[in-house]
Amino acid sequence: DAGVTQSPTHLIKTRGQQVTLRCSPKSGHDTVSWYQQALGQGPQFIFQYYEEEERQRGNFPDRFSGHQFPNYSSELNVNALLLGDSALYLCASSLGNTIYFGEGSWLTVV
Amino acid sequence: SQELEQSPQSLIVQEGKNLTINCTSSKTLYGLYWYKQKYGEGLIFLMMLQKGGEEKSHEKITAKLDEKKQQSSLHITASQPSHAGIYLCGADRRGTSYGKLTFGQGTILTVHP
Repeated sequence: DAGVTQSPTHLIKTRGQQVTLRCSPKSGHDTVSWYQQALGQGPQFIFQYYEEEERQRGNFPDRFSGHQFPNYSSELNVNALLLGDSALYLCASSLGNTIYFGEGSWLTVV
Repeated sequence: SQELEQSPQSLIVQEGKNLTINCTSSKTLYGLYWYKQKYGEGLIFLMMLQKGGEEKSHEKITAKLDEKKQQSSLHITASQPSHAGIYLCGADRRGTSYGKLTFGQGTILTVHP
């Protein structure tokens, strides 16, 4: 049984560009949440998708947007990248109170 | 101040020693999750506690939840180098988190052989 899978694992972007990160949830999980983890910090909640709708959102600007597909997979989009967006982006899938995380996507903005 | 405070921030122990990591919340806890993270990698689920007084164990790791104190502790017995990593506690604020957790800043554990 595959766990939560994320792609790409690493990427480098230039300030002002746009990036799309992808997540496939664990089999049977219908909810996907995205987190940003800066170096030396705990993960910060960005938003959560359920039934293809954004259900909850953390304190992140509108430059951060997402999407969930009918097969429950999800994308995180970040527009107008800033240097401060450099971080590990984690996807978590859940079913009820069971929450599993993927390996993350390392984003470096230069 | 942080909603969820972990202590200590870092810990260095000799292999075979016992250790405890604490996680204290400034708000009501409906559930508390413990994860382990290797540097730059994803979070590995360890345990989830929901009820006050609940205690769970997996191999040499035991976690307890003190609902009244809004605190949880993670105890490792006879530590091994494989236990090294960053330990994160995450709080469910709503009662049914649906996957939204508030995390502490993490505790970095080093185990010397």
